[in-house]
Amino acid sequence: EDQVTQSPEALRLQEGESSSLNCSYTVSGLRGLFWYRQDPGKGPEFLFTLYSAGEEKEKERLKATLTKKESFLHITAPKPEDSATYLCAVQVASGGGADGLTFGKGTHLIIQP
Amino acid sequence: DAGVIQSPRHEVTEMGQEVTLRCKPISGHDYLFWYRQTMMRGLELLIYFNNNVPIDDSGMPEDRFSAKMPNASFSTLKIQPSEPRDSAVYFCASSPGTGEQPQHFGDGTRLSIL
Repeated sequence: EDQVTQSPEALRLQEGESSSLNCSYTVSGLRGLFWYRQDPGKGPEFLFTLYSAGEEKEKERLKATLTKKESFLHITAPKPEDSATYLCAVQVASGGGADGLTFGKGTHLIIQP
Repeated sequence: DAGVIQSPRHEVTEMGQEVTLRCKPISGHDYLFWYRQTMMRGLELLIYFNNNVPIDDSGMPEDRFSAKMPNASFSTLKIQPSEPRDSAVYFCASSPGTGEQPQHFGDGTRLSIL
């Protein structure tokens, strides 16, 4: 069974204090790993897709990396507006019916001014 | 461009009633997904369609749940009869393809079954 585990469940940082969120996965064959941001009362908002070990992507203060077993979302010098729940999801490569995403439970990030 | 549109945003109803959730995907997207989010289980895939055809409904919890996509711009998720344990936020998402194409989510329907 495909599994996605995110840690920590919650993280409180001071503005400007950099940190990393972890997403470890166990899947039969990875087609892609996705990072989303979710604000209260909203749907998940797409951030990044990673496909192969060693790949990195950046957007503003966020940088996502991927290994064969886990992904990290690095947040550099965060601001209060970066406060949200960050979700990791995998898409599995298998024959047929493999297009849905399997999500982790997310990391609830709070950035204090 | 308009994103994925879901209605209603909130639904409160009594146990045993029929509930219908609606979704309009992004124009031109071939794939439509229904997910359910709860505190205990997080986001879970219920069913998805490709070109209006259901591809995988293995995530649909029971026969009380059904989904249809009569055309490329509309889908429904129906629960009949509803039960309190169906209370959750239901999300619809669409994508132009698989793999490298990300799924774009609506803002969900918050369903409360009393």
